[in-house]
Amino acid sequence: RKEVEQDPGPFNVPEGATVAFNCTYSNSASQSFFWYRQDCRKEPKLLMSVYSSGNEDGRFTAQLNRASQYISLLIRDSKLSDSATYLCVVNVPSDYKLSFGAGTTVTVRA
Amino acid sequence: EAGVAQSPRYKIIEKRQSVAFWCNPISGHATLYWYQQILGQGPKLLIQFQNNGVVDDSQLPKDRFSAERLKGVDSTLKIQPAKLEDSAVYLCASSSRFPTEAFFGQGTRLTVV
Repeated sequence: RKEVEQDPGPFNVPEGATVAFNCTYSNSASQSFFWYRQDCRKEPKLLMSVYSSGNEDGRFTAQLNRASQYISLLIRDSKLSDSATYLCVVNVPSDYKLSFGAGTTVTVRA
Repeated sequence: EAGVAQSPRYKIIEKRQSVAFWCNPISGHATLYWYQQILGQGPKLLIQFQNNGVVDDSQLPKDRFSAERLKGVDSTLKIQPAKLEDSAVYLCASSSRFPTEAFFGQGTRLTVV
């Protein structure tokens, strides 16, 4: 089983719609969780860290479910500029590494 | 604050040739990562340094790949000899301390023909 698994999509949504997707992780000892955004042919950039209580940053909401070992990202009121690949990143402290999922592609259409 | 610098941006080589990539992390960042990203996939960690020591190189194909981080600052990743399946983007990232946010360079796009 892969360390981090994501629904690859693509999620094709109209402007203004809400889109949500999950990421599952295999190691229950995982402690830190992040969502990165990667635009086409660009480097990944941190979108938000995911805290145990869940957190919100404008139109973006991230949640963590430790019991079921998944994190989610919800985008409200989608903009054309939200079109990108969203990478789920998980850390296991004992491994000292950040493990990336394959990414979920979101396309927002006018 | 200057970001992570990588060079070259693009490289095309023939199989069995050698190639080297260079990375200069953000000043003061102790942790440096090299990732390989094949088209359509997420980044895969090749090697992680903490200062000039290797923390994890379990996924580095050591028969052909090597990396060093002399003096705990900049780093080089070498492939010798290259194979067709090495065609990918090689991303360097750094962070101030693990496991905080990792900042990525623009990457080197390698094409092996």
